[in-house]
Amino acid sequence: LAKTTQPISMDSYEGQEVNITCSHNNIATNDYITWYQQFPSQGPRFIIQGYKTKVTNEVASLFIPADRKSSTLSLPRVSLSDTAVYYCLVGDATGGFKTIFGAGTRLFVKA
Amino acid sequence: GAVVSQHPSWVICKSGTSVKIECRSLDFQATTMFWYRQFPKQSLMLMATSNEGSKATYEQGVEKDKFLINHASLTLSTLTVTSAHPEDSSFYICSARSGLISYEQYFGPGTRLTVT
Repeated sequence: LAKTTQPISMDSYEGQEVNITCSHNNIATNDYITWYQQFPSQGPRFIIQGYKTKVTNEVASLFIPADRKSSTLSLPRVSLSDTAVYYCLVGDATGGFKTIFGAGTRLFVKA
Repeated sequence: GAVVSQHPSWVICKSGTSVKIECRSLDFQATTMFWYRQFPKQSLMLMATSNEGSKATYEQGVEKDKFLINHASLTLSTLTVTSAHPEDSSFYICSARSGLISYEQYFGPGTRLTVT
């Protein structure tokens, strides 16, 4: 399983765009990249998933360069309610996609 | 989206007793379920992976005789913490994955266990 590295914490202000980058140098060919959000005392919530280039949904965008050794989660115009821990995970469905969580990034959104 | 529930949401038990936590996939069949433990301010730690109808696969360092996992049906997995001790107090989270949705994993709301 590819190991992921993220910044431990980030601060932002309401209305700003936040970009959280995850490093996964040992990503394998079959691996997908998935991001989750977790609030205190709650289970993680799926945000977005991608394999290459760019993926966008109603809450975020995921940018993956050609070498796939990193990925960037982009949250447009964050609000106070986006304060949470964000986890980047890399896994392969053919291997059962055992999900191993890294330390995650604690995002603090200030007013 | 798919919904996973856990019961109970919190439980307090005395040291030495056993506690059972249920994890249910409400609107899909979960071929695989995962159990995690999370201590305050820490990340989730995978404890075991269970596939319906077969024995769970435990991660290194997790005592299988202490944390009994049963995945008897495609919608239910249970985690029993046997002979609980205060150090077992933690937030336990389950997740479920359907074989039809290969990469998405849906998490339950978690169960707060406090052992006194």
